[in-house]
Parts: sequence; C-alpha cells; structure tokens
Amino acid sequence: NAGVTQTPKFQVLKTGQSMTLQCAQDMNHEYMSWYRQDPGMGLRLIHYSVGAGITDQGEVPNGYNVSRSTTEDFPLRLLSAAPSQTSVYFCASSYSTGWETQYFGPGTRLLVL
Amino acid sequence: LAKTTQPISMDSYEGQEVNITCSHNNIATNDYITWYQQFPSQGPRFIIQGYKTKVTNEVASLFIPADRKSSTLSLPRVSLSDTAVYYCLVGETDGNTGKLIFGQGTTLQVKP
Repeated sequence: NAGVTQTPKFQVLKTGQSMTLQCAQDMNHEYMSWYRQDPGMGLRLIHYSVGAGITDQGEVPNGYNVSRSTTEDFPLRLLSAAPSQTSVYFCASSYSTGWETQYFGPGTRLLVL
Repeated sequence: LAKTTQPISMDSYEGQEVNITCSHNNIATNDYITWYQQFPSQGPRFIIQGYKTKVTNEVASLFIPADRKSSTLSLPRVSLSDTAVYYCLVGETDGNTGKLIFGQGTTLQVKP
C-alpha cells in the first residue's frame, strides 16, 4: 500500500490564483480530512469527510472547498489564494470506526505571494 | 468538545525517561485519549491510545487516572531521535462528526 499520498509537495501561487491540492489513499478508509499547520499553531482542521459524498467543515474552512466523489480521493481547492493561506497542508485518513488513529500524508508546502 | 492543555516545550537528555502530562477536564464518556508524534517536515504519526488506566506499547506508555481528566505520556530512555512535537488529543465521538482537534503540542528537545 502507498498509504496517503499528496501532490504537489511544494507550490508557489500568486494572490488570487486558484489551485487544487490532491490527496489519495489506497487503504479503503472512510474518513478523510485536511489540516493546515502554521508555525507555532499546531494543526488546524479545515474540512473532513466521513464517506463518499459527505463533507463537513472543520475549524478553519473559509477560503477552501472540498468534495468527495470517491472513497480514495479528497481534493482541497483554493478558489482565490491569499497570503494568509501560506502554510503546510496535511491530508489524513482512517477507518470510520477507528478514526482516532489517522494516517497522515507527507504534506504540501504552499507559498502564496 | 474536550480541550486539552499541555506544556509548550520540554527539554531532556539522552537516556532519561520523559513524562508529558496533558489536561482534559471536559473529557466526555465516549472519548479516547490519543497521542501523536510529529518530526520536522513530516506528518504526525500515531503513538498510543487509551481510555483508562495504563496502556503500553513498544514506543511509550500512557497513564490515565480514574477521573480521566488528565493523562501522561511516558517515553522510556529517550534518544536524540525522539526530538519531536507531541500532541495530546481527546476525540469527539458523537455520531458521524468524529474529528480530531490538534492543539499546539509539546516540543520535546532531547540533548546529548
């Protein structure tokens, strides 16, 4: 198993540009989530999904959209990038009954100029 | 949602036992306590999880008193490679809204 994969590893955007961060898992996990991590802030939950077709907001959802059309994929969309969205983004997945033990991807570093 | 409080940072030396305590006064009956470890430039990884009393695995031990309002992660004989951020999480388990909220974590610095 590849586990949780994220692409790209690093991205530079200009203010106002849009992009999609990709996340995929091959463990047949129902639960997937997106976090952002800023220096000294720990991880903050952006959006999460408890299964295909179901998504919900986390702590900091503004400026981000998600969809879950398949069990494997959970892309995160930035509609109009802002410098405040400069961060490291982590995707995670777990079985619905064992959501306490999440598997994290390697992260995507995003710089918005 | 149960909030957790843990020290921002701790220092230790190689070979010592390290204990990191987390407070979670508002823990709910169905909540589990989970600890994650994060190395620089990597995603967090699961260390240990417990509900009450003591849990031990090959990496760490987790001590939870009867009132479950706190927990202590114990790392035996740390090495330089244990330098990382350690997060204490208490889960929200109502229906399908299970989601973990990470706090700032405890930055452990192990010195030679």
